[in-house]
Amino acid sequence: DTAVSQTPKYLVTQMGNDKSIKCEQNLGHDTMYWYKQDSKKFLKIMFSYNNKELIINETVPNRFSPKSPDKAHLNLHINSLELGDSAVYFCASSQETPPTQYFGPGTRLTVL
Amino acid sequence: GDSVTQMEGPVTLSEEAFLTINCTYTATGYPSLFWYVQYPGEGLQLLLKATKADDKGSNKGFEATYRKETTSFHLEKGSVQVSDSAVYFCALRGTGFQKLVFGTGTRLLVSP
Repeated sequence: DTAVSQTPKYLVTQMGNDKSIKCEQNLGHDTMYWYKQDSKKFLKIMFSYNNKELIINETVPNRFSPKSPDKAHLNLHINSLELGDSAVYFCASSQETPPTQYFGPGTRLTVL
Repeated sequence: GDSVTQMEGPVTLSEEAFLTINCTYTATGYPSLFWYVQYPGEGLQLLLKATKADDKGSNKGFEATYRKETTSFHLEKGSVQVSDSAVYFCALRGTGFQKLVFGTGTRLLVSP
């Protein structure tokens, strides 16, 4: 039983396209996150939602728009993809207490 | 702001050697501290955690102790195996904040 799942696992697309990544968690957690891992393995928070409300919005281009239809899902839509968007995107979820975040398997996005 | 500093890698060891990966942090208040592991081609897995000073987290032979006086959370294992080869991330979650702040990761390579 997958706790945090993401689709697709791999995404290869052309510059300028629009794409979405989906995330679902079956842990009953209230909070979900998107992180970006660059080519040097550095991980940085992008967004966080708590009960469908945006609570963290780091310095991310407006081309990135998260959407949470319910507290078990957090999707990431990216408009006008650029080469620099190539990265691995991880979804995660947690409760407030304990503060442990559980990560999905990642989506490797390659922009050509 | 909050930050995490990890030792540069790669760390190269022979099987059964002793492992230490250093991690120090800067944070206000009383953060929770974590070690995550990323095996090749996979997502992040929680390895261990500590939520208050002097707590020791342990899992799969790995240990780390939350040292407030030295603001450190060093990862140790007495006898590494080839299967421990991975990238290890130290992370903190600050008081009152939801996001994880990650170190840059340390790659561990264990040879037979």
